[in-house]
Amino acid sequence: GQNIDQPTEMTATEGAIVQINCTYQTSGFNGLFWYQQHAGEAPTFLSYNVLDGLEEKGRFSSFLSRSKGYSYLLLKELQMKDSASYLCAVSPGDRDSNYQLIWGAGTKLIIKP
Amino acid sequence: DAGVTQSPTHLIKTRGQQVTLRCSPKSGHDTVSWYQQALGQGPQFIFQYYEEEERQRGNFPDRFSGHQFPNYSSELNVNALLLGDSALYLCASSLRAGSYNEQFFGPGTRLTVL
Repeated sequence: GQNIDQPTEMTATEGAIVQINCTYQTSGFNGLFWYQQHAGEAPTFLSYNVLDGLEEKGRFSSFLSRSKGYSYLLLKELQMKDSASYLCAVSPGDRDSNYQLIWGAGTKLIIKP
Repeated sequence: DAGVTQSPTHLIKTRGQQVTLRCSPKSGHDTVSWYQQALGQGPQFIFQYYEEEERQRGNFPDRFSGHQFPNYSSELNVNALLLGDSALYLCASSLRAGSYNEQFFGPGTRLTVL
């Protein structure tokens, strides 16, 4: 089966750094996405990793280890507006599920002053 | 540059009724995917349309059907509504079929089934 695990909820302090982990078990692998979703709004794209290593984009970085089925999203210099759910999604890319993304349930990040 | 638009924003129906949701993709995109997102859960893939054909379908019953028009806009139809169909329905557009292309999401349609 296809499975993606993320922590349900995390709390961090404004200005600090937080790491949100994602582990996956899928029939194939053609890339991993991170999306941000504010309450009541649509998900917005943050990052895409298909090769091992770290991708940095401003305050956000995403890491992938394909051999371990593991990724993390690193958020630096946290701001109150970063309070949102962070969704990890994998593209299996295999014959039976080439066109769909498999999604985790999301990690609700709460930022405190 | 217009992003992905969906209509209606909210909808209330009763069990057994039928509903049609609409989506217009981001300018330049030709592929539309539909997702169902229950409260506190990640999106669940319903199906993807490209070149007016359903390319792949997730684990949803035949009550869920769709269509893509020549202008790439799309509809999602749900028949014989059940209470469990209450959810946020998201439409995402991308360029070319395949889930490895960045998907842009619309604001969603909140469906409540009473």
